[in-house]
Amino acid sequence: AQKVTQAQTEISVVEKEDVTLDCVYETRDTTYYLFWYKQPPSGELVFLIRRNSFDEQNEISGRYSWNFQKSTSSFNFTITASQVVDSAVYFCALNYGNNRLAFGKGNQVVVIP
Amino acid sequence: NAGVTQTPKFQVLKTGQSMTLQCAQDMNHNSMYWYRQDPGMGLRLIYYSASEGTTDKGEVPNGYNVSRLNKREFSLRLESAAPSQTSVYFCASSEVRQGRYEQYFGPGTRLTVT
Repeated sequence: AQKVTQAQTEISVVEKEDVTLDCVYETRDTTYYLFWYKQPPSGELVFLIRRNSFDEQNEISGRYSWNFQKSTSSFNFTITASQVVDSAVYFCALNYGNNRLAFGKGNQVVVIP
Repeated sequence: NAGVTQTPKFQVLKTGQSMTLQCAQDMNHNSMYWYRQDPGMGLRLIYYSASEGTTDKGEVPNGYNVSRLNKREFSLRLESAAPSQTSVYFCASSEVRQGRYEQYFGPGTRLTVT
């Protein structure tokens, strides 16, 4: 069965600090996708990144970076030089049959000015 | 291009009342989904429709029914609302086209059952 674990619940950082969110997943599929979504206080789900299981190249996009390690089933997410606008809940998700998504419980990130 | 739309955005029901949450997508996606989000629980799949004419249960289907009215529309019905169904409901659609994976979420419906 698919499972996504985000261990931390709430993380508080002072503005300009870096914050890393951990995501560990379980799946028996050999091909799959992993996602990170952001949910700001307004409530909508904002897509951040999608990686497929064949692509372990890590990526940096602006202040965001991702570290995908298939050997440890981890897909971690880092915000560099955090800003108050980064305050949100962040979800890691894994797709499985018929493109269904299994979500982690989310990390509440609070950036203190 | 509206993407995925949901109506209503907010709803308050009394225990035992019924209602239908509407979802529509304009991207010609085959697959559509209903998720619910509860505090501290992440999003959990209620029902999904892999293609027009098919529906299947997800992780938490009890108390819900769905209808895939056509390729565009996928509705979620609460026949007899209970306080445990107080939640935020998200509709989504997805498709894999030419190796590219597309998935979009609606803005959500906040439902309170008193």
